[in-house]
Amino acid sequence: DTGVSQDPRHKITKRGQNVTFRCDPISEHNRLYWYRQTLGQGPEFLTYFQNEAQLEKSRLLSDRFSAERPKGSFSTLEIQRTEQGDSAMYLCASSLSRGQGGNQAFFGQGTRLTVV
Amino acid sequence: KQEVTQIPAALSVPEGENLVLNCSFTDSAIYNLQWFRQDPGKGLTSLLLIQSSQREQTSGRLNASLDKSSGRSTLYIAASQPGDSATYLCAVIPYNQGGKLIFGQGTELSVKP
Repeated sequence: DTGVSQDPRHKITKRGQNVTFRCDPISEHNRLYWYRQTLGQGPEFLTYFQNEAQLEKSRLLSDRFSAERPKGSFSTLEIQRTEQGDSAMYLCASSLSRGQGGNQAFFGQGTRLTVV
Repeated sequence: KQEVTQIPAALSVPEGENLVLNCSFTDSAIYNLQWFRQDPGKGLTSLLLIQSSQREQTSGRLNASLDKSSGRSTLYIAASQPGDSATYLCAVIPYNQGGKLIFGQGTELSVKP
């Protein structure tokens, strides 16, 4: 297994267009997380899945954002009607969690979105 | 609400120096604390993970400590090298929040040859 994979690595889009990002987690990991990072800041939590169930969404995730994880494997994050403020690095992470404890998270290389 | 703060925001040192990066958090109800490295435009690489019951972890030239009661962690880098130049992020996993990480804003380290 090569770790967490994200695609594409870079995306430039015009304001108002829709974009979709994909994340492939480490295969045996049951939890998958999306974070957003703007320049000079730490990553901020957006949403997470346990298997195929989306268990929490941050208030940062406006109605224009939607995430899915069909069959509990890969995940997609879609942004509709992009705005310049959506420009950021979108990071995906996965972990193997049993119960409520915190487990080590492994991150992908991120998708850099630029909205022009 | 858990908040994580890292000081300093940026640090420049000559090669060979030992250095300490600081991280503080406001709520001690955490499962663990992780230190990450991030190179420009790249994802995060996990360096060290300290469970809440542990006091420190070591990996090579890196040593991380955790004092949960005071809400502090330090990352010690021995004999720094130019290849250590990167942004270092600390993050905690709070209790009962699904394992999500709460990050500090990072310390940008530059090691000059």
